[in-house]
Amino acid sequence: GAGVSQSPSNKVTEKGKDVELRCDPISGHTALYWYRQSLGQGLEFLIYFQGNSAPDKSGLPSDRFSAERTGGSVSTLTIQRTQQEDSAVYLCASSRELQETQYFGPGTRLLVL
Amino acid sequence: AQSVTQLGSHVSVSEGALVLLRCNYSSSVPPYLFWYVQYPNQGLQLLLKYTTGATLVKGINGFEAEFKKSETSFHLTKPSAHMSDAAEYFCAVSEGSSNTGKLIFGQGTTLQVKP
Repeated sequence: GAGVSQSPSNKVTEKGKDVELRCDPISGHTALYWYRQSLGQGLEFLIYFQGNSAPDKSGLPSDRFSAERTGGSVSTLTIQRTQQEDSAVYLCASSRELQETQYFGPGTRLLVL
Repeated sequence: AQSVTQLGSHVSVSEGALVLLRCNYSSSVPPYLFWYVQYPNQGLQLLLKYTTGATLVKGINGFEAEFKKSETSFHLTKPSAHMSDAAEYFCAVSEGSSNTGKLIFGQGTTLQVKP
């Protein structure tokens, strides 16, 4: 079946602009995760959603970052007033349940000029 | 708090030689441990994982890893390297006994395979 998909694959934006990154998880997966991969910080957890529970936002680096998951499926990660240090690859993953294997999407490469 | 340390950001082996990628973790609760591989311009792919039970786990592409609680280690090995194994490898930990799915990753090890 289809894997995790993310769009866009690449995004170039200007400092101060808002961006939205989209993730389509594997159908039927109840848990969805966002991670960030950057040269300086490696792979960092950002946020995860599990069913109807409140999301774990403990990894979001600032209040400029937010995410939502509509209808228990698609998720959008929004970065407001982007900064150059936000440049990174944003990875989405999903799993059937929490603690089960996470399947990763190809990522969105964000460049903030 | 949990953490993962991967010893060696770059490892170079000859084709056919043993591959050994080191991973040590810190966790106050029983951990779940993972190895992921990332090929250039691709997402992460699970190689293997340890949750409970047998401490020697086998994964895809001939890789295996052993959970050693006394050493807090989860090193990844493969008896004979192949050119196609060249990639970046990430060790990760999650809290096995609590209701969370977030993964804490190591800094990654780039494996180079020389002909």
